[in-house]
Amino acid sequence: DAKTTQPTSMDCAEGRAANLPCNHSTISGNEYVYWYRQIHSQGPQYIIHGLKNNETNEMASLIITEDRKSSTLILPHATLRDTAVYYCIAEGLNQGGKLIFGQGTELSVKP
Amino acid sequence: ETGVTQSPTHLIKTRGQQVTLRCSSQSGHNTVSWYQQALGQGPQFIFQYYREEENGRGNFPPRFSGLQFPNYSSELNVNALELDDSALYLCASSLGGVGNQPQHFGDGTRLSIL
Repeated sequence: DAKTTQPTSMDCAEGRAANLPCNHSTISGNEYVYWYRQIHSQGPQYIIHGLKNNETNEMASLIITEDRKSSTLILPHATLRDTAVYYCIAEGLNQGGKLIFGQGTELSVKP
Repeated sequence: ETGVTQSPTHLIKTRGQQVTLRCSSQSGHNTVSWYQQALGQGPQFIFQYYREEENGRGNFPPRFSGLQFPNYSSELNVNALELDDSALYLCASSLGGVGNQPQHFGDGTRLSIL
């Protein structure tokens, strides 16, 4: 299982883009990069996932480097409600659906 | 589309007791995973059920057991409760067997052991 490394905490001004980095230098070819976030007292919320190509949905964009050793989650216009812990996870088809959560990045969006 | 629901939301037990936590999966999902989240930590994988069979287990003792029913809902049972079992227990459902599909989580059951 590939290990991911994220900064412990980040701040972002409301209305600006939040760029959350993740390193996964040991990722294997069949492992996807998943992003979840957890707002206090709630369960983790799925945001986006990808394998090689950049992905975008209504919540965020995911940029994966060509060598797949790192990725960035982009929240284009952060709001106060985006304050949460963000988890980057590498998960493959051979892992039996086991998501391995690290400590994540605590994002604080400030007015 | 109904999301993942868990019951109860909060529970208080004493050491040595047994507890059953319940999870209703999201409509159309056939796979349920359970996680334990201690205060200040990320969730830890307990086990997963796919079509009523256990499909992977994390590093948890046998006193943690589970079931999945024909309607794909699930139970987590913990016997001989210990103080360290105090945590948020999360259930996640997904559509297994069709490639890489995201897991969708409920809001958990907060279990406190006195």
